Amino acid sequence: ETGVTQTPRHLVMGMTNKKSLKCEQHLGHNAMYWYKQSAKKPLELMFVYSLEERVENNSVPSRFSPECPNSSHLFLHLHTLQPEDSALYLCASSQGAGRNEQYFGPGTRLTVT
Amino acid sequence: LAKTTQPISMDSYEGQEVNITCSHNNIATNDYITWYQQFPSQGPRFIIQGYKTKVTNEVASLFIPADRKSSTLSLPRVSLSDTAVYYCLVGEGNQGGKLIFGQGTELSVKP
Repeated sequence: ETGVTQTPRHLVMGMTNKKSLKCEQHLGHNAMYWYKQSAKKPLELMFVYSLEERVENNSVPSRFSPECPNSSHLFLHLHTLQPEDSALYLCASSQGAGRNEQYFGPGTRLTVT
Repeated sequence: LAKTTQPISMDSYEGQEVNITCSHNNIATNDYITWYQQFPSQGPRFIIQGYKTKVTNEVASLFIPADRKSSTLSLPRVSLSDTAVYYCLVGEGNQGGKLIFGQGTELSVKP
C-alpha cells in the first residue's frame, strides 16, 4: 500500500465511450503525475501537476484530458480512444514536482475495443 | 536528461547477491541516481536514491564510483519475490517531474 489509490483497477471501453480514471493520494504530496505503460514498454510520462497547476504535458493527444481539482485528487478523462491506447495507466505523487522519489498507485488496466 | 543503459535481463538463484549495473555517461552535476522496482501489472516502487559513494537502506545498497558515470544496485540474498523489473533513472531534483524510464532490467530469481 503506497498511499496512492486508483479506480477503477480494470476498464473496458468502446471507442465511442467517455470514461474517467480517478487517482487519490493520502500522503500530503503537492505534485501528481499520469503515466502510460504499454505492453513490454517503458513508462511514458503524460501529465504533471504541481500545486494543482499543469506544469508538463508531453504532447499527449487531446482525447486524454487531465483534471486536478485539488492536491489530493487527479482525474484522466477519456473520450474517443483508439485500440492502441490500451495500456496500464499509472498515477503517482511526490513532494514537489521533479522529485525523483515518486509513489505510484496500482494502475488502471484499460482495454479499448 | 541523462540516458541510462542497463542489461535487459538477469538470472539469479535464491540466496545469492545480485548486482545490477547502470551506465549513465552523460550524468550532470546536479543529477541524482534513483532505482525503482516494478512487479507485473503494478506501479513502480522506489527502492533507493544516491548522489555519490554508497547508500544503504533496509532493501538494497547503491554504489556510485567517483566519476558517477555508472551505478550498481546491490540486492543481498535475493528471494523469489525479488523477481521484477528494475529501473535506473538519472535526473535533477527540480526538473519538473521528468522521470524518464528506460527499458529496465528484468531480474528472474530461481529456486
